[in-house]
Amino acid sequence: DAGVIQSPRHEVTEMGQEVTLRCKPISGHNSLFWYRQTMMRGLELLIYFNNNVPIDDSGMPEDRFSAKMPNASFSTLKIQPSEPRDSAVYFCASSSWASGANVLTFGAGSRLTVL
Amino acid sequence: GDSVTQMEGPVTLSEEAFLTINCTYTATGYPSLFWYVQYPGEGLQLLLKATKADDKGSNKGFEATYRKETTSFHLEKGSVQVSDSAVYFCALSAAGRGGGNKLTFGTGTQLKVEL
Repeated sequence: DAGVIQSPRHEVTEMGQEVTLRCKPISGHNSLFWYRQTMMRGLELLIYFNNNVPIDDSGMPEDRFSAKMPNASFSTLKIQPSEPRDSAVYFCASSSWASGANVLTFGAGSRLTVL
Repeated sequence: GDSVTQMEGPVTLSEEAFLTINCTYTATGYPSLFWYVQYPGEGLQLLLKATKADDKGSNKGFEATYRKETTSFHLEKGSVQVSDSAVYFCALSAAGRGGGNKLTFGTGTQLKVEL
């Protein structure tokens, strides 16, 4: 398996633009997580899905952020409009309840810079 | 709520030195505990885990013992190598709504190993 695949790896955009980050989880995994990593705040859970259903989005910073999982093999995290304080590395991770739901496999991350 | 506290870094050691990275947690119930490692430019990888009190997780020469009485899960390695230079994250799991689990991470401890 190719692991969790995220795109783009790097994104530089201007304030006010829409940003869409994409994630393909490992085939067969039931849960998908979006985390944000910054120097100031560390790793923050933004939202997670079980069987494509959003379970907890309490970590989503504000209405400018939205996440979808239309099917078991794809998820998006959208920021509209983007702001400089959104600059961070965004990680997607997935896990399988069958093999130990606590073991997350992370993607390589999408580094977002908002100018 | 659940939380994880790690010692602040960076921790700088000479090759073959003994490593300890402290981790304590606050949680309701009986969480599982984890150490993840992040190498530069990569996502997090599971290093080891323990699912109940007194369990010892081990991998690649690293060890950590789940101590319920002190709510701790300190990471140790007897002889570090330059290749161990990375950021280490302590984490605990919490049962999520609707099945599955989510991880709460500490802030991470950067380890630098020098020749």
